Amino acid sequence: GQQVMQIPQYQHVQEGEDFTTYCNSSTTLSNIQWYKQRPGGHPVFLIQLVKSGEVKKQKRLTFQFGEAKKNSSLHITATQTTDVGTYFCAGWSNYQLIWGAGTKLIIKP
Amino acid sequence: DAGVTQSPTHLIKTRGQQVTLRCSPKSGHDTVSWYQQALGQGPQFIFQYYEEEERQRGNFPDRFSGHQFPNYSSELNVNALLLGDSALYLCASSLARNSPLHFGNGTRLTVT
Repeated sequence: GQQVMQIPQYQHVQEGEDFTTYCNSSTTLSNIQWYKQRPGGHPVFLIQLVKSGEVKKQKRLTFQFGEAKKNSSLHITATQTTDVGTYFCAGWSNYQLIWGAGTKLIIKP
Repeated sequence: DAGVTQSPTHLIKTRGQQVTLRCSPKSGHDTVSWYQQALGQGPQFIFQYYEEEERQRGNFPDRFSGHQFPNYSSELNVNALLLGDSALYLCASSLARNSPLHFGNGTRLTVT
C-alpha cells in the first residue's frame, strides 16, 4: 500500500543546534502537510506545500517539497525549547491523506 | 471563532461496552475526520464524513461507526470495546477533503 516513511524517529539536539526530519513517499503526492504535536497536545497544522520544488519558510523553520513531489523535509535552525514536540508529515495521494510516523524532537538537558 | 470542540475530554469504559464521542467542527468547515492515536504513535485515520455521508474509511473494523449531522457536527461510536481501543481519539475538520486539518483537543478513552 501507499506509505510515507519519515526519519528519524527521534532526534536529540542541544538547544541551539539544528534539526531536520525527512519524509519519503512511495507515490507522487498532490500536496504535503506538516503538523506539530506538543507533548500532551493535539496535532497543529504548520504548512502545506503544493508545487514541485517548493520551499517555504516560517521564521526558523524551512519546508521543502521535492521536485518529483515524493519527498519533503523540515529543517529547524537553532532549536529552542519551544520547538520540542513531534513533527508529522502527511501527504495527499489518491484521495487519501497518508501520515508519516513522526519525528520526536528532544532537547538535551 | 470557536475551533474544533470535542467531548468528553476523558472517558473510562469496560471491555464490551459501547462509547460515543462527539465533535463540533470549526466554523465554516463541512468535512470531519476521525483519528485514533495510541500513545507514542502517529494518528491513524478512521473515517471522514462529508454531507452526512461516510466518504472514506481507514483500516478499522465495523465496530467503529460514525455519523454526521446537518449542522456538520459528528459522532464516533465504538461497540464491543477492546483493551486495544484505549487511545486518544482526535476529531479534525477541514474546508475540503484535502485541505489542512484543524484538530480538536481529543478524547482520551481508557478501556479496562
